[in-house]
Amino acid sequence: QKEVEQNSGPLSVPEGAIASLNCTYSDRGSQSFFWYRQYSGKSPELIMFIYSNGDKEDGRFTAQLNKASQYVSLLIRDSQPSDSATYLCAGWNNNDMRFGAGTRLTVKP
Amino acid sequence: DAGVTQSPTHLIKTRGQHVTLRCSPISGHKSVSWYQQVLGQGPQFIFQYYEKEERGRGNFPDRFSARQFPNYSSELNVNALLLGDSALYLCATRRQPTGDIQYFGAGTRLSVL
Repeated sequence: QKEVEQNSGPLSVPEGAIASLNCTYSDRGSQSFFWYRQYSGKSPELIMFIYSNGDKEDGRFTAQLNKASQYVSLLIRDSQPSDSATYLCAGWNNNDMRFGAGTRLTVKP
Repeated sequence: DAGVTQSPTHLIKTRGQHVTLRCSPISGHKSVSWYQQVLGQGPQFIFQYYEKEERGRGNFPDRFSARQFPNYSSELNVNALLLGDSALYLCATRRQPTGDIQYFGAGTRLSVL
């Protein structure tokens, strides 16, 4: 079992819709969680981080963390074609960060 | 302030050769981590260095080594290259080794032929 697993996708949503990205993790020692966006051929770009149970909102993005269920999600409201990218979920535990394989999102105009 | 800078941006090597990748952190960042990202996968942790000492190591063979210099820049060395070492190598830096956001450089694309 991988330490961080993401729904493999690809995920396709129409412009203006809500995109929902999910992630589960196996290491209960993970202290904080990150969502990165990665465009093809580019390096990961931090979107949000969360370390407390509940929701955290930043503009069109909402991250949700449920430590009891070992579940992290990212909601993107009013999706735009420019949101089309691979989204990486990562968990941080002391000295290293473990990434999922990523979910490819396509937002169709 | 300049972001995390990596060099070179692209590199082509043949099997058995050695390669050195370089990373300069954001000013004030003392922790450097290295990741390998194979096409279609998420980044895999290789090393973390803080104050010139290794703080963490991922599941990579001894052909991979790294070091950090007094100015907090870092080098990743890979010996006896294999075809499977072809990947995007990412450097990420943060102010402290834990409890802080890390920022990625643009990466070095290594192709082993």
